[in-house]
Formats: sequence, structure tokens, C-alpha cells
Amino acid sequence: QKEVEQNSGPLSVPEGAIASLNCTYSDRGSQSFFWYRQYSGKSPELIMSIYSNGDKEDGRFTAQLNKASQYVSLLIRDSQPSDSATYLCAVNVGSGGGADGLTFGKGTHLIIQP
Amino acid sequence: DTAVSQTPKYLVTQMGNDKSIKCEQNLGHDTMYWYKQDSKKFLKIMFSYNNKELIINETVPNRFSPKSPDKAHLNLHINSLELGDSAVYFCASSQDRRGYGYTFGSGTRLTVV
Repeated sequence: QKEVEQNSGPLSVPEGAIASLNCTYSDRGSQSFFWYRQYSGKSPELIMSIYSNGDKEDGRFTAQLNKASQYVSLLIRDSQPSDSATYLCAVNVGSGGGADGLTFGKGTHLIIQP
Repeated sequence: DTAVSQTPKYLVTQMGNDKSIKCEQNLGHDTMYWYKQDSKKFLKIMFSYNNKELIINETVPNRFSPKSPDKAHLNLHINSLELGDSAVYFCASSQDRRGYGYTFGSGTRLTVV
């Protein structure tokens, strides 16, 4: 059973601070890792993807992956009120190129306080 | 140009009815998916299609049937709708079976009364 775990929150962070979102996954065969942002009533929007251990930075966002610990995180620097949303961690096992689809966590509700 | 488009955006129907949701992608992607997001916002894969071949089929009721007339379209047909089918259904596509370039449609909110 593939599982992706996230703290549902809400996580409240002051404007301008760093928001840290965490995710763990159960399947060691997982190969691709994604962070999606979802505003209420909208579809998930891809924020970051990461495929190898270490850090990946894109603007104010940094994704971190540690396959040994089965842990992936997302850091948001200089948090803005517009970052307030639900952040979904997703994992693709992709064994042999097979498309199992993405397994999602239940999401972390992030609130940036002005 | 909308990359992944779904119709209708909202669907309200009575129990026992049959309904379809359409999805089209203009990204040239090889793989398309249907996801269900329940009232608790949990997003779960239902089906995926790669080059018109069903490659996964999660344990969803057989009242749900995906239909793909071509690589750019993946429709979802639901028979004998039940109250528990009420949810938001998202179509998605990706470049290939590894999941690169994953893109979601805007969703269809289905309400069964």
C-alpha cells in the first residue's frame, strides 16, 4: 500500500518568514516527487518536481529530497499572503516506466499572516 | 489555449442517472488520468490511459468506465449514480508514463441529489 503522509495543519506563518512543509512516503521504489499548490475551488498547480537526493531551488521555492529517510520537503522563502493555500505532496512510483498515477498526501493547509 | 479542458464544470444530477464527463488535452501528451477529490480534499487516482490503453484501474466501482476515442481525449462515464459519487473529478495528462509534465484540468464538481 503506497502512502504519502503530510501534516494537515493549518500551518500559520508570518509574512516574510520561511514556510516549511514536510512529507514522508512509504514506497522505497518511489522515483518522482512533486509539490502542488491548490487554492480553494481550483485545480492543483505544479510548484516543484524533484527526482534525485538533495535540494532543488526555483525562485522562492526549494524542494529537498532524502530517499534514505523517505522524506521530501518544500521551503517557501519570503512568504506572501498569496502563498496561502493547500500544498499537496505527490509521489510517482513509476516502476519500469509504468504510470501508476500520482499518490497524493492529504495536503497541508498553509496560512500566511500579513 | 487551455491545456487540459474538462466539461462540464458543474454537474448536478439525481441518483440513478447516467452521466459523462469529457476531457481533452492539446499538449500532445501520451498519458491521461482521472482523479477523484472527495469532500475531505483527498485526491486519488482512478484510471490512467497511455496511447488508448488502460494501464491502471484502481479499485473503483465498475459503474465508472473511462473511454478514450483518441490520444487527446479521455472521457469518464458513470452509470447509476450514487450519493457517494459526489466529488470533484479532475482530468490530467503527462508527457509519458513516467509522469513528466503533469497537468491538471480545472475539475468537474459532481453533485448527486
